[in-house]
Amino acid sequence: DAKTTQPPSMDCAEGRAANLPCNHSTISGNEYVYWYRQIHSQGPQYIIHGLKNNETNEMASLIITEDRKSSTLILPHATLRDTAVYYCIVRVAWAYNTDKLIFGTGTRLQVFP
Amino acid sequence: NAGVTQTPKFRVLKTGQSMTLLCAQDMNHEYMYWYRQDPGMGLRLIHYSVGEGTTAKGEVPDGYNVSRLKKQNFLLGLESAAPSQTSVYFCASVGRMNTEAFFGQGTRLTVV
Repeated sequence: DAKTTQPPSMDCAEGRAANLPCNHSTISGNEYVYWYRQIHSQGPQYIIHGLKNNETNEMASLIITEDRKSSTLILPHATLRDTAVYYCIVRVAWAYNTDKLIFGTGTRLQVFP
Repeated sequence: NAGVTQTPKFRVLKTGQSMTLLCAQDMNHEYMYWYRQDPGMGLRLIHYSVGEGTTAKGEVPDGYNVSRLKKQNFLLGLESAAPSQTSVYFCASVGRMNTEAFFGQGTRLTVV
């Protein structure tokens, strides 16, 4: 399973874009990049995922480098409610017997007024 | 549609006692997972299952057993609880053709 490396913490001003980096230099060609976040002690919440193209949904954008060794999650207009721990995960989607869904240590994003 | 439900939400055990945590999902998902999360730490995978009747070890399986007799249920057992197993336990499920994992609300377990 490919490992991910994220900075332990980041700050962002409310209303500004939050850019959360993730390094996954050992990612395989069939592994997707997923992002989840965990607010307080709740269960993690899915944000977005991608394989090699950039992706955007109502919550965030995901930028994956051309060599796929790193990615950035972008929250375009951070709010106080975006304060959470953000996890970057790589996994093989729909792979029978190998889908372990391993979490790293994540980045604690603090959005301040 | 309840999603993923964990039972119980809170529990206090004495050292050496046993208990079973239940995870139930109503989305017909193939894959199910059990994690533990210690204070200030990320989620660590205990055991997982890729289908009814199959289970596999995750990152930290020692001291735990699991069973998946029915597709919708994934049970996590502690045969002889230890204080080191004090943690918050999360269950998750994913469908084979789904792209996201759904998590339960967590079970806060304290072993004294």
